[in-house]
Amino acid sequence: GPKVLQIPSHQIIDMGQMVTLNCDPVSNHLYFYWYKQILGQQMEFLVNFYNGKVMEKSKLFKDQFSVERPDGSYFTLKIQPTALEDSAVYFCASSSTDTLYFGAGTRLSVL
Amino acid sequence: QQQVRQSSQSLTVWEGETAILNCSYENSAFDYFPWYQQFPGEGPALLIAIRSVSDKKEDGRFTIFFNKREKNLSLHIKDSQPGDSATYFCAGTGANTGKLTFGHGTILRVHP
Repeated sequence: GPKVLQIPSHQIIDMGQMVTLNCDPVSNHLYFYWYKQILGQQMEFLVNFYNGKVMEKSKLFKDQFSVERPDGSYFTLKIQPTALEDSAVYFCASSSTDTLYFGAGTRLSVL
Repeated sequence: QQQVRQSSQSLTVWEGETAILNCSYENSAFDYFPWYQQFPGEGPALLIAIRSVSDKKEDGRFTIFFNKREKNLSLHIKDSQPGDSATYFCAGTGANTGKLTFGHGTILRVHP
């Protein structure tokens, strides 16, 4: 099926540093999402993005978070500065209809 | 507030049995309910989905039974195989938002 690629698969950084998580969505998809998953538990919605704009964000999407997709390149999630509680697996997803296709995730470890 | 609730954190069945995973939801605006399957180290993948206008959706060994009045649904996996061992997430969304609300997941183990 369609593939969403996430780069890197694992990122280790020190608390307070900036991190950018990259997502290469399915090529003809127009809707993009970030979800956060802690310790194999439920996936929690962070934000969705369409036509260059954030459509909706959750309470988990703190002020330190930002998303963008400049000129059809990677869809990115930037966290600046990072905090210990940001440690989790972050999943990117894209869709053109109701079906969301997820990447394999980026495991972020904040030390 | 847990809007989508999965009744079991884990479930173990023997190969060949039918595994039944239960889910309930609170938001009456939800009208689309996908089940996602996730293997360790991978992202969730859509397994099967149902819309609230239907009460049953079947795809091979997988069937969703949906009860709109009771706001619950279940995923039945017939003839379970060891390869079905994974975490299964029930999710709900409404109004074509694409914003899925997931349950906590049920870890299914199928013993050979």
